[in-house]
Amino acid sequence: RKEVEQDPGPFNVPEGATVAFNCTYSNSASQSFFWYRQDCRKEPKLLMSVYSSGNEDGRFTAQLNRASQYISLLIRDSKLSDSATYLCVVNDSWGKLQFGAGTQVVVTP
Amino acid sequence: DAGITQSPRHKVTETGTPVTLRCHQTENHRYMYWYRQDPGHGLRLIHYSYGVKDTDKGEVSDGYSVSRSKTEDFLLTLESATSSQTSVYFCAISLAGPDYGYTFGSGTRLTVV
Repeated sequence: RKEVEQDPGPFNVPEGATVAFNCTYSNSASQSFFWYRQDCRKEPKLLMSVYSSGNEDGRFTAQLNRASQYISLLIRDSKLSDSATYLCVVNDSWGKLQFGAGTQVVVTP
Repeated sequence: DAGITQSPRHKVTETGTPVTLRCHQTENHRYMYWYRQDPGHGLRLIHYSYGVKDTDKGEVSDGYSVSRSKTEDFLLTLESATSSQTSVYFCAISLAGPDYGYTFGSGTRLTVV
């Protein structure tokens, strides 16, 4: 079983709509969580950290559910520029980041 | 953005030849990492370093070695390249470790023929 699992998508979203997707992790001892964004043929870039109480950064909201071991990302008022692959990242109990394979989001006009 | 560069950006090499990829940072970050990215697998850790001459293996280290003789440089060597090592290789740096996230280089696209 992979440590971090994501729905690969693609999630096709009309411009202006809201999209949300989850990622599950297997290590209950994980302590830190992140969402990264990766554009086609580019490097991953940190989008936001995920805090226990949930957090927002503009149109992006991240939530953590420790009991069910998943994190979520919600994008409101989607823009064409939000089209990318979103990587779920979890700090495992050994102090290394484990990456999911990514969820592809395609925002259409 | 953090100063991190990878070289070369693209390389085609023949099976059985040694290949060295370079990661150079200007941020004086202590932690450096090498990942490979393949379709359906996500990023997988090859080797990492917590400081000069302090390196350790990741989950997919077979066939790879690393060296870090200076804070700013982290070299990844494929000792004898195989077609299964065709991949995109990313270097990452971190000031204070995984709790603070990583900054990635632009990647090296390696093809082994």
